[in-house]
Amino acid sequence: SQTIHQWPATLVQPVGSPLSLECTVEGTSNPNLYWYRQAAGRGLQLLFYSVGIGQISSEVPQNLSASRPQDRQFILSSKKLLLSDSGFYLCAWSLSGTGQPQHFGDGTRLSIL
Amino acid sequence: AQKVTQAQTEISVVEKEDVTLDCVYETRDTTYYLFWYKQPPSGELVFLIRRNSFDEQNEISGRYSWNFQKSTSSFNFTITASQVVDSAVYFCALRDSNYQLIWGAGTKLIIKP
Repeated sequence: SQTIHQWPATLVQPVGSPLSLECTVEGTSNPNLYWYRQAAGRGLQLLFYSVGIGQISSEVPQNLSASRPQDRQFILSSKKLLLSDSGFYLCAWSLSGTGQPQHFGDGTRLSIL
Repeated sequence: AQKVTQAQTEISVVEKEDVTLDCVYETRDTTYYLFWYKQPPSGELVFLIRRNSFDEQNEISGRYSWNFQKSTSSFNFTITASQVVDSAVYFCALRDSNYQLIWGAGTKLIIKP
């Protein structure tokens, strides 16, 4: 069966520091991969999605970036974090094809001080 | 434009009561998919159900049931004999010809013992 791993679970970073969150999927090939952000008490905002290695689409202009160096690895990065980057970050995968449900990792709680 | 509305921000009921979470969607497409997800306090998003626009049959899974009505563009979720473990934020989402999910704002469900 497929599993998704996301780490770290929590992270406290100072303003201006870099960021790297990693997500890996097991048990499937060529999944679609997604990064979401969820502000406290709010819904989900899609940040990036990827349909293949090296293929990244950005939904929201910001100081974050994403990379997919391997088929089942998705990385969310920033060179300089802002206070507004605080939130709950969720990685998800789905099979390719219309209407496939997305399956989520456990999330990373990021606090910027 | 696509839109998902979950008008109930928060619902509080006593254990064993039945509760219905409302979801109203907007789309111009004839082919689309609807989803429900559960987000317990621990944070991870759990996929509950997917419905495509051509299947209006109601679905029942244990204490959970879903009522899909295209005439009113609604996809409501009912929990029968609620339990404390059902306490969570529940999200409804829509995917049509666009590649991404359109998420509702979520309904926080509190089940009191």
